[in-house]
Amino acid sequence: AQKVTQAQTEISVVEKEDVTLDCVYETRDTTYYLFWYKQPPSGELVFLIRRNSFDEQNEISGRYSWNFQKSTSSFNFTITASQVVDSAVYFCALHSPFGNEKLTFGTGTRLTIIP
Amino acid sequence: NAGVTQTPKFQVLKTGQSMTLQCAQDMNHEYMSWYRQDPGMGLRLIHYSVGAGITDQGEVPNGYNVSRSTTEDFPLRLLSAAPSQTSVYFCASRGGQPNSPLHFGNGTRLTVT
Repeated sequence: AQKVTQAQTEISVVEKEDVTLDCVYETRDTTYYLFWYKQPPSGELVFLIRRNSFDEQNEISGRYSWNFQKSTSSFNFTITASQVVDSAVYFCALHSPFGNEKLTFGTGTRLTIIP
Repeated sequence: NAGVTQTPKFQVLKTGQSMTLQCAQDMNHEYMSWYRQDPGMGLRLIHYSVGAGITDQGEVPNGYNVSRSTTEDFPLRLLSAAPSQTSVYFCASRGGQPNSPLHFGNGTRLTVT
């Protein structure tokens, strides 16, 4: 069985602070894919990034960065110099493509940026 | 490109009523799915389809039916609505590669009284 844990239910930080959202996953498969999605207050779900299990390179995109560590089964997301527009619920998700097509989501972290 | 289109955006039903949530995509994606989002529970898969004529159950399929007669459409049917089905429903599609991200519709907020 696969599982995604986002232990941080809610986080509040003051604007311009850095913040890291944690994601820990469980899977028995050696090939799998990890994703982050953003759900702003308007409610839509927006894809942010994906990572293949065989690619452990970290990635930076502007103020966003992702740290993938297979040794600790974690795929953490850091926002540098946070802005009010970053306020949203963020979901981490795991896809193990063998057996079924289920994409497992974590329960989400609600991030509030205080101006 | 419209992407994934869901209708309606809001719906109120009485217990026992039936309805169909519509979902259409114009990206020629083979894979489509329905999720429900409830507070503190993330997104849970209801049903999914890997192509026209093929559907399968997800994590929480009870009380819902689906069919996939075309690549574009994947409607979700509630045969006899129950208050436990009050939720926000999302339809999603993705391309054929396993690392393809999901493209979501804008969601349907359903209330069953």
